[in-house]
Amino acid sequence: DAGVTQSPTHLIKTRGQQVTLRCSPKSGHDTVSWYQQALGQGPQFIFQYYEEEERQRGNFPDRFSGHQFPNYSSELNVNALLLGDSALYLCASSLFSSGARGEQYFGPGTRLTVT
Amino acid sequence: AQTVTQSQPEMSVQEAETVTLSCTYDTSESDYYLFWYKQPPSRQMILVIRQEAYKQQNATENRFSVNFQKAAKSFSLKISDSQLGDAAMYFCAYKGVGAQKLVFGQGTRLTINP
Repeated sequence: DAGVTQSPTHLIKTRGQQVTLRCSPKSGHDTVSWYQQALGQGPQFIFQYYEEEERQRGNFPDRFSGHQFPNYSSELNVNALLLGDSALYLCASSLFSSGARGEQYFGPGTRLTVT
Repeated sequence: AQTVTQSQPEMSVQEAETVTLSCTYDTSESDYYLFWYKQPPSRQMILVIRQEAYKQQNATENRFSVNFQKAAKSFSLKISDSQLGDAAMYFCAYKGVGAQKLVFGQGTRLTINP
């Protein structure tokens, strides 16, 4: 049973560029959440996708956008990259019908460095 | 908005000893969930233990147990018989009943001394 997978593992981009990160949820899960974890900090919620729609959004600018595909996989896009976007980006999957008590399973993350 | 605070940036313990990590939170909700996650150097967040606020009994998972004080809004994690593999960042997290997002604390880095 495959867990949550993310690609790529590491990524280096230049300021002003755009980046796309990918996530495949755990088998049987239908909801994907994205978190940003700056160095030495706890993860911060970016947004959540279910049924190919953004359901909840954290305090992140519109430069951060996402997409969910019919197979439940998801992409996180960041435009006009800033140095402050350098972080570990975590994807977590869950089953929407489990509600708040449902466990979120995390992927290993994508380390984004903006130079 | 809910907040989670971990006041211990770093903790260390001797192997086989017991250590307690602290966490406090702020919320106006009466029902919610609390979690402790472990993040080893491999970066993958692993759920250690979960507590449902409406349950008075403290959760236990093998060597891991919590002390949940709802009135004080405190949720500490006790690790008994510490092992070298317990070394990691530990994050306390909150999830409201009406939400699916997790709100994390700043983390505590736990070092196990052999």
